[in-house]
Amino acid sequence: KAGVTQTPRYLIKTRGQQVTLSCSPISGHRSVSWYQQTPGQGLQFLFEYFSETQRNKGNFPGRFSGRQFSNSRSEMNVSTLELGDSALYLCASSEPKGQVAETQYFGPGTRLLVL
Amino acid sequence: AQTVTQSQPEMSVQEAETVTLSCTYDTSESDYYLFWYKQPPSRQMILVIRQEAYKQQNATENRFSVNFQKAAKSFSLKISDSQLGDAAMYFCAYKRDSNYQLIWGAGTKLIIKP
Repeated sequence: KAGVTQTPRYLIKTRGQQVTLSCSPISGHRSVSWYQQTPGQGLQFLFEYFSETQRNKGNFPGRFSGRQFSNSRSEMNVSTLELGDSALYLCASSEPKGQVAETQYFGPGTRLLVL
Repeated sequence: AQTVTQSQPEMSVQEAETVTLSCTYDTSESDYYLFWYKQPPSRQMILVIRQEAYKQQNATENRFSVNFQKAAKSFSLKISDSQLGDAAMYFCAYKRDSNYQLIWGAGTKLIIKP
């Protein structure tokens, strides 16, 4: 099976702009989670989607949003970019057993630089 | 709130030797999962090993094994016969049984000396 794919891999934006990142999960996986990784804050959970519904959200401002499509692909959007949004954004997919996702498998990440 | 602590920012080991990375966590839950992920310079996060809290037997995956001490809330990773390709950041992560998010430690940088 192909792994989790993320596009684009690298992105440079300026403050105030918005950005959309895309994630395609492993075939058959219906849960997609997003994480932000920075040197200062480490890895932090953004949100998780399952069957086009956001089930859980981390402690991030409303500028961070996401969605999931019927084919399980997911996008996250960051509006009004700030310098502090510069980070590696990781997407992970999993196939829940019952109601809860178990092991998460990660994509290569999108590295966002805000100037 | 749950927390995960990795007290070793950096560890080094001679190639072919054994190294143990430490992880402690804090939770009041009884059902949860613990993971070790590896992040090489490529930044791809790779699953190394996983442990279900309800299982007393320690997980093993080839050269990788864990020492899971539930009462002590400790979850260490042992890497045997270290190889140059094992050089990476290693992250310990916790997930509640009823939740979807991983809570991460700060990571341990593992250096392999040839």
